[in-house]
Amino acid sequence: SQQGEEDPQALSIQEGENATMNCSYKTSINNLQWYRQNSGRGLVHLILIRSNEREKHSGRLRVTLDTSKKSSSLLITASRAADTASYFCATVGGNTGKLIFGQGTTLQVKP
Amino acid sequence: DAGITQSPRYKITETGRQVTLMCHQTWSHSYMFWYRQDLGHGLRLIYYSAAADITDKGEVPDGYVVSRSKTENFPLTLESATRSQTSVYFCASMRTSGLTDTQYFGPGTRLTVL
Repeated sequence: SQQGEEDPQALSIQEGENATMNCSYKTSINNLQWYRQNSGRGLVHLILIRSNEREKHSGRLRVTLDTSKKSSSLLITASRAADTASYFCATVGGNTGKLIFGQGTTLQVKP
Repeated sequence: DAGITQSPRYKITETGRQVTLMCHQTWSHSYMFWYRQDLGHGLRLIYYSAAADITDKGEVPDGYVVSRSKTENFPLTLESATRSQTSVYFCASMRTSGLTDTQYFGPGTRLTVL
């Protein structure tokens, strides 16, 4: 069963706009991670936020985590056409390192 | 520095045949994982391995077999392929299971079972 549920499933914006994706999960976590997948490629890690952190930044990425609501959001600012991809949240619980993925948000950035 | 590679990248086989998907990583990462990605299901964990000779089931292990005799290799075998195993398969590795460790994914193998 999926741990993370992402919203929206698809998002289409113009270059320069901000893109926000949300992820909800069900059980307690050690950390939450966001990955990007370009069409036909493997996943690439973007950012990790630990359960005791509330916000994290990396370049144009901003991730928030609300453990009381079991939710996270990924904000991509000043989007570019190259940001077009699918974005997945994944949670880690326990010490096995296993990731449980959401179904992803497909982002299209129009030039 | 090849990182993590998968072979073959594309495979077409017939129902009932045995198929082995290969995964190789050059980092000596302890952990390795196999996922399948299907429309509507996202990525689901098939099997994972914490070290050589240590493997464990994931969410959808039925119909698959893994082995890990060497740290760098983690082959996935479909003993008798079925159409429902048509999917894109991703291998991943991770240095340890520490709180800030992340997974590195291979490019994927697209498997079609006719």
